[in-house]
Amino acid sequence: AQTVTQSQPEMSVQEAETVTLSCTYDTSESNYYLFWYKQPPSRQMILVIRQEAYKQQNATENRFSVNFQKAAKSFSLKISDSQLGDTAMYFCAFIGQGGSEKLVFGKGTKLTVNP
Amino acid sequence: DVKVTQSSRYLVKRTGEKVFLECVQDMDHENMFWYRQDPGLGLRLIYFSYDVKMKEKGDIPEGYSVSREKKERFSLILESASTNQTSMYLCASRRASYNEQFFGPGTRLTVL
Repeated sequence: AQTVTQSQPEMSVQEAETVTLSCTYDTSESNYYLFWYKQPPSRQMILVIRQEAYKQQNATENRFSVNFQKAAKSFSLKISDSQLGDTAMYFCAFIGQGGSEKLVFGKGTKLTVNP
Repeated sequence: DVKVTQSSRYLVKRTGEKVFLECVQDMDHENMFWYRQDPGLGLRLIYFSYDVKMKEKGDIPEGYSVSREKKERFSLILESASTNQTSMYLCASRRASYNEQFFGPGTRLTVL
């Protein structure tokens, strides 16, 4: 069974600095997708970034980028120039292409951006 | 933009009551999901539906049932609410051929 591990329950960063959230996963599948979702306090969960396993190039979305290390099964999220609005729970998630249609989530990292 | 709505943001029920949580999406998505979110446990899948009248158990289906009579609507039912079902409930939907899930705002259910 696939598992997703986020080893940092809580993190904090100063505004304008860079922070990296860690995520590792376990799977025997060769093709899959990885996601980072953001859940601001009392607000809707939204997709931050998506990575397809067969693409070697790391995905980027404005200030958000990932470091995808397929052999190490690692998928970290880097937030550059942190803003107060980045304060949120961040969830790493995995979905395989081997038949399972279920998204597997990590337990989340609570990120606080301090002014 | 995809919109997923849930019938209530906050709900308080008594032990033993039958509880209905409603979820509606407006983008003709085939797949819909119900999760519960608890601190330190992340999101756990309760039930999901590939299409109308289809349902599959997730990781924690005990104590819950679902109904999907129309494509846009997916209901979660607690037949006899218990205090250990106090939680945040999140609904999500996606188009079958894509993997991004779109989430509703959540329903915070308290069972007294």
